[in-house]
Amino acid sequence: KNEVEQSPQNLTAQEGEFITINCSYSVGISALHWLQQHPGGGIVSLFMLSSGKKKHGRLIATINIQEKHSSLHITASHPRDSAVYICAVWSYGNKLVFGAGTILRVKS
Amino acid sequence: DAGVIQSPRHEVTEMGQEVTLRCKPISGHNSLFWYRQTMMRGLELLIYFNNNVPIDDSGMPEDRFSAKMPNASFSTLKIQPSEPRDSAVYFCASSFRLGQFFGPGTRLTVL
Repeated sequence: KNEVEQSPQNLTAQEGEFITINCSYSVGISALHWLQQHPGGGIVSLFMLSSGKKKHGRLIATINIQEKHSSLHITASHPRDSAVYICAVWSYGNKLVFGAGTILRVKS
Repeated sequence: DAGVIQSPRHEVTEMGQEVTLRCKPISGHNSLFWYRQTMMRGLELLIYFNNNVPIDDSGMPEDRFSAKMPNASFSTLKIQPSEPRDSAVYFCASSFRLGQFFGPGTRLTVL
């Protein structure tokens, strides 16, 4: 079993829909990253969080340390949100472990 | 600021050759990370530096790989000798406190 599991693996949504991507992990962590990789290959760090909730524009990231779970929400989705979303955790051993990614496609 | 700069953007080489990838982090950032991405294994952290000092290189696949950061504005990742299985996209990222800023990556093909 992978230390970081993301769901769903693939997600297709209609423009305007509310989207949730989930990340569960099995190790103790000091922080969790959400990354976005565009179809062209570029990677953007969206959030780094260790507790609670962060919001940036239409993106919201939450983390529940007790449940070892994080969610990335996209409100009012748009085709330009189409990308691969990757969850990564910094374990207490200072190891960075990546999830396999969620491929999101937003149709207009 | 120009962001994280990586060079070359594409590299095609033959098995057995030495490959050197270069990274210039964002000025003022004190942490630098080297990643590798393949279809089979996804993103992997190879090594990271804090204040030019390597902190964790346990992700470096084998002795053929080496990384240096001689100063705060430059880092190299070297593969010697290269093998076809090293073909991947190699990303460099830098950070100061929270978040990371990624470079555009170097696509390496070893024939």
